[in-house]
This record gives sequence, structure tokens and C-alpha cells, in this order.
Amino acid sequence: NAGVMQNPRHLVRRRGQEARLRCSPMKGHSHVYWYRQLPEEGLKFMVYLQKENIIDESGMPKERFSAEFPKEGPSILRIQQVVRGDSAAYFCASSKLAGVYNEQFFGPGTRLTVL
Amino acid sequence: AQSVTQPDIHITVSEGASLELRCNYSYGATPYLFWYVQSPGQGLQLLLKYFSGDTLVQGIKGFEAEFKRSQSSFNLRKPSVHWSDAAEYFCAVGANNNDMRFGAGTRLTVKP
Repeated sequence: NAGVMQNPRHLVRRRGQEARLRCSPMKGHSHVYWYRQLPEEGLKFMVYLQKENIIDESGMPKERFSAEFPKEGPSILRIQQVVRGDSAAYFCASSKLAGVYNEQFFGPGTRLTVL
Repeated sequence: AQSVTQPDIHITVSEGASLELRCNYSYGATPYLFWYVQSPGQGLQLLLKYFSGDTLVQGIKGFEAEFKRSQSSFNLRKPSVHWSDAAEYFCAVGANNNDMRFGAGTRLTVKP
């Protein structure tokens, strides 16, 4: 059973470009979470999605950031017009059921560098 | 909202020595508490978790943690550290929703 997959593992963008980060949850998991990790900091919750629905986006910046989890295919975190401050590691996690008491399995992350 | 503090940014221990990583949380109700380990360039792996019951929980790789409500702490321990334990360790607290808050992490270096 493959774990949570994220691609690309490393992404380099110039300021003003768009970044698309993909996350395929574990088989049988319909809950996806995105976190951002800035250098020397812990993970910060961004958004929680179920299939075709955004459940909680309280941690997502109001502008330039969006997330989706379509019926078919991976979850996508999209960052428009990237700025240097967006450089970070972005982690996706998935769980089989909702609620923090259900273990979240983490992917290896996408490291975004904005030049 | 819940929050987590890991007071130690970086800890160095000798191989074979005991280890304790500190974690303090802030939350009004009984929290869900977690310890994760992150190896360089990797995602997070769950070491152990506490929801209720016995306050001393056993995890993988020989780790254990003790929930102390009076001190709002959930410290991680290992009696004898191995070189492969060198990594970043994160404490996290979850509430009765889907929001999990992570500490800033403690980086563990193991000396030969």
C-alpha cells in the first residue's frame, strides 16, 4: 500500500509565477490536509479537504492560495504570483476518517524555492 | 485555540545516553497529544499519541511519553539513544476538530 505521494519533491519558481503542488492520499483515504513548514519552524495547518469539498481553510492565506481535491485525481495546492516569502516545505497528510484522533499520514513534502 | 511549546530548539546527547524532549501545551479541555519524528528531507512519522487512559504511552522505536495534566506537559523519553534517532521531533496537540497545532520542533543530534 503506497503511502502519501507528493510531487514534485522540489519546485523552483521565479517571483510572479504560479506553483502547483500535488498530493495523492493513501488508498482508501478521503481526507487531505495541507501544512506549510517555514525554515526553523513547525508545521502550520493550512487547509483540510474531503473529496470535492473544502472543510476548513482557516490557515490558508486569503489571497493567491487555493486548494482543491477533485472527485478524481490528486489534491492540488495552487499558489499564484509567488513571492519569496512563499519559499517553504509544503506537506500533505491524509487520513481515513475525520478528526485529529484519526492518524494523519504525511507525504515527503514539496520544497518550494522562489527566486 | 490550542498551542504547543517545545522549549529546546536543539539537543545533543551521546549515543547510549537517555533522552527527554520537552513539550508543553495549552488547551482548555483534554487534548489529543502527538509526537512526530522527521528525518532530513522526509515527511513526518507518528511516534506515539495520547487520547485518554494510561498517562504513560509507548510508541515505536523504543520511545515513550508521559502526559502530566498538572504540568500541561507531554515529554518524550527514550532510555538509550541510537545514532539513527538523530532527527527533528515535533510535538502536536489536536482539539475536537481537524486542527492540529505543531510545536517548532527540537533537533536531536547524537554524538558517537
